[in-house]
Amino acid sequence: NAGVTQTPKFRILKIGQSMTLQCTQDMNHNYMYWYRQDPGMGLKLIYYSVGAGITDKGEVPNGYNVSRSTTEDFPLRLELAAPSQTSVYFCASSPPGEDIQYFGAGTRLSVL
Amino acid sequence: EDQVTQSPEALRLQEGESSSLNCSYTVSGLRGLFWYRQDPGKGPEFLFTLYSAGEEKEKERLKATLTKKESFLHITAPKPEDSATYLCAANYGGATNKLIFGTGTLLAVQP
Repeated sequence: NAGVTQTPKFRILKIGQSMTLQCTQDMNHNYMYWYRQDPGMGLKLIYYSVGAGITDKGEVPNGYNVSRSTTEDFPLRLELAAPSQTSVYFCASSPPGEDIQYFGAGTRLSVL
Repeated sequence: EDQVTQSPEALRLQEGESSSLNCSYTVSGLRGLFWYRQDPGKGPEFLFTLYSAGEEKEKERLKATLTKKESFLHITAPKPEDSATYLCAANYGGATNKLIFGTGTLLAVQP
């Protein structure tokens, strides 16, 4: 039972580069979320999705894009990486009719 | 503005020394108050959800309680394996389950 899987675990980017953080879940959960966690700060919601083809902005969406073409996958795209995007990124999912979010292990990203 | 505040930021206990962590919240239309545990280098792991004032939930050495303004996570006779960061979060998004998190309490339990 894999749960929520995030890849890569670690990545270093140069300023201006782009990348996609991958998130996949095998629990058939409708709802999926992307958060970032900075040292000493709480998790901040970037984007969320309530189902395939439906996405919406969270608290801190600037500099990011998402898509949701399947129930399983919810990739997060950084187009022009900036040092302010150095953070740990977590993906989570939630099943229909239940409000518990299940988190992946995170992607640690450094932008230099 | 919706807000979740946790205190203390860090807490060091001796094994067996009971204590409580605090989470105060100002969230309009609260749809649930959550407690998560986070170990270093890992994602948050669900512990409890509380929905109404007066509600209590227990799991092993942990008990979570809820009032109209605060939630407490009581840790009874902690062990070193209880060392972790404990996160509080409030559902402000209704059916979309959007959460606003506090900054966490880093708990260290020394043998």
